[in-house]
Amino acid sequence: QSALTQSASVSGSPGQSITISCTGTSSDVGSYNLVSWYQQHPGKAPKLMIYEVSQRPSGVSDRFSGSKSGNTASLTISGLQAEDEADYYCCSYADGDTVVFGGGTKLTVL
Amino acid sequence: QLQLQESGPGLVKPSETLSLSCTVSGGSISSSGYYWGWIRQPPGKGLEWIGSIFDRGGTHFNPSLKSRVTISVDTSTNQLSLNLSSVTAADTAVYYCARRFPLGYCRGGACPSFDTWGQGTLVTVSS
Repeated sequence: QSALTQSASVSGSPGQSITISCTGTSSDVGSYNLVSWYQQHPGKAPKLMIYEVSQRPSGVSDRFSGSKSGNTASLTISGLQAEDEADYYCCSYADGDTVVFGGGTKLTVL
Repeated sequence: QLQLQESGPGLVKPSETLSLSCTVSGGSISSSGYYWGWIRQPPGKGLEWIGSIFDRGGTHFNPSLKSRVTISVDTSTNQLSLNLSSVTAADTAVYYCARRFPLGYCRGGACPSFDTWGQGTLVTVSS
């Protein structure tokens, strides 16, 4: 079971859109629509932003959206705001009834 | 409102057993369809799923930790417990307990969506 692959960092200016990718394999992301995304601010617990690839929990801004193509899932944040600056982690169900996280992407709002 | 609070020793010696509790308030730990997880995060690093316990005491563990992990639920105290044996410095991390997102689908008892988290507790493994 290997961690999902995420780029280490991404940046954008306020108002812009950014996309964070999460690459897995046919044993996890590629075979199941069970990908979640979490936002984590420094010193805080993670917050669920997206579940089942593209679903938003109640209370999460519609500026956050998720998608998947093949073995890669993506999180897009539109209309970037200063408070979006955080670490973002993808998470997927994986073969063998396990759960695997990505290594995390640090988002900087310029 | 459901709240989770981790507790336990902040320092554990190498080769010993790390034992943590997670107290659930604002709801029953054993309500129908329950599903709880433990996730950890080494300092400055990413999240790692440790394992989960679900309705009727079923469990799933990270294969890399499976031989050393025990997770249980105590309904009398409304607490979730984690035991990790034979710890090394690599087990130094912030440990979180979390509840499965009720609307999230699970497969085979493994759920990747957690909506309620504790604040986390730092455990350092050092002599």
